[in-house]
Amino acid sequence: NAGVTQTPKFQVLKTGQSMTLQCAQDMNHEYMSWYRQDPGMGLRLIHYSVGAGITDQGEVPNGYNVSRSTTEDFPLRLLSAAPSQTSVYFCASSGWESSYEQYFGPGTRLTVT
Amino acid sequence: AQSVTQPDIHITVSEGASLELRCNYSYGATPYLFWYVQSPGQGLQLLLKYFSGDTLVQGIKGFEAEFKRSQSSFNLRKPSVHWSDAAEYFCAVGVDSGSQGNLIFGKGTKLSVKP
Repeated sequence: NAGVTQTPKFQVLKTGQSMTLQCAQDMNHEYMSWYRQDPGMGLRLIHYSVGAGITDQGEVPNGYNVSRSTTEDFPLRLLSAAPSQTSVYFCASSGWESSYEQYFGPGTRLTVT
Repeated sequence: AQSVTQPDIHITVSEGASLELRCNYSYGATPYLFWYVQSPGQGLQLLLKYFSGDTLVQGIKGFEAEFKRSQSSFNLRKPSVHWSDAAEYFCAVGVDSGSQGNLIFGKGTKLSVKP
């Protein structure tokens, strides 16, 4: 049982490039979320999903796109990377018993130059 | 609006000393409260949670937290700190986001441990 996995661990992009951050969970959790973590800011919610085919925006959704075609996977797409998107990105999942009790992946450190 | 405040950005304690990390929240209803720990370069690990019932909750690694409704606080405590407790600690409150519960995090408290 791997829990929540994220790839890649590190990524460097140039401004304007696009990429997809991968997130997968093997706990059969319905709920999945993406957060970004910036120094002194804590974690802020980008997008979340309550199940396959259903997504919604969080606090800081601009510049990011998500889709959820399966229960296991919840990729985050950067459409046109900007230096302001330099951050550490965390994916989290939770089950129907308590969507608040979230399990986090190890994170992806993204640098946009 | 819901919010979580961790007043201390950085705390240093000596190994073996007691620890208290402060957390205050703003939320209209009965809150669901959490403490997470993040070691350098790692993801977040759940230390403990409060949903209802006994206001003193026990967590992993010898941590406990006390919910005080009158003070809107959920402070984290440990009686004797170990060097391995050096990490960043985040308090969070669960909020309803449509059909899903999500978390609002404080900005974190970095704990350093002196030998």
